[in-house]
Amino acid sequence: QQQVKQSPQSLIVQKGGISIINCAYENTAFDYFPWYQQFPGKGPALLIAIRPDVSEKKEGRFTISFNKSAKQFSLHIMDSQPGDSATYFCAASYSSASKIIFGSGTRLSIRP
Amino acid sequence: GAGVSQSPSNKVTEKGKDVELRCDPISGHTALYWYRQSLGQGLEFLIYFQGNSAPDKSGLPSDRFSAERTGGSVSTLTIQRTQQEDSAVYLCASSVDRGKNTEAFFGQGTRLTVV
Repeated sequence: QQQVKQSPQSLIVQKGGISIINCAYENTAFDYFPWYQQFPGKGPALLIAIRPDVSEKKEGRFTISFNKSAKQFSLHIMDSQPGDSATYFCAASYSSASKIIFGSGTRLSIRP
Repeated sequence: GAGVSQSPSNKVTEKGKDVELRCDPISGHTALYWYRQSLGQGLEFLIYFQGNSAPDKSGLPSDRFSAERTGGSVSTLTIQRTQQEDSAVYLCASSVDRGKNTEAFFGQGTRLTVV
């Protein structure tokens, strides 16, 4: 119940295309769903986050879509650029608990 | 104004030796996390400190692992009698008190290699 399942494990997208990464969870107590971006040799950094009271959040080229009934959420990267090549982690947490649960990660490569 | 600082950045140790990894969180952040990232894998939760509350140690993989946080600031993760399977990047993160803002800021990690 504490798991967050992420897919795909790796993804190759042409420059200018749309990158889509999906995550699913079981614990309905989760109330915060962040996405982190990690470049090689660096720690993860927060990219965008959503709470379950909204179905979509957009920041620039990055959009989170949230489906509360299906317990799924996804990251969409529009007009993908080579600089977006990184590993992306979805995550979930809830206010009364301590840990942030991370998905297994998606290695995204944007081909020029 | 610095971010989360971890030291050393790299550590090579012999199997069976003890190691200490250090984390300096962002000033004013009361929450501190340790995660482990094996090569090409996700982030495995190890331990969480929040203010003066008892730490959540539920992620520590064995009794060889321990962590402390002194004065609500600096944290040390200790691995005793290291094994080759302990080789990984150990990441520390900090955040302000839980509530509306739960963004965790990560350090660059300590890459531990047990030979």
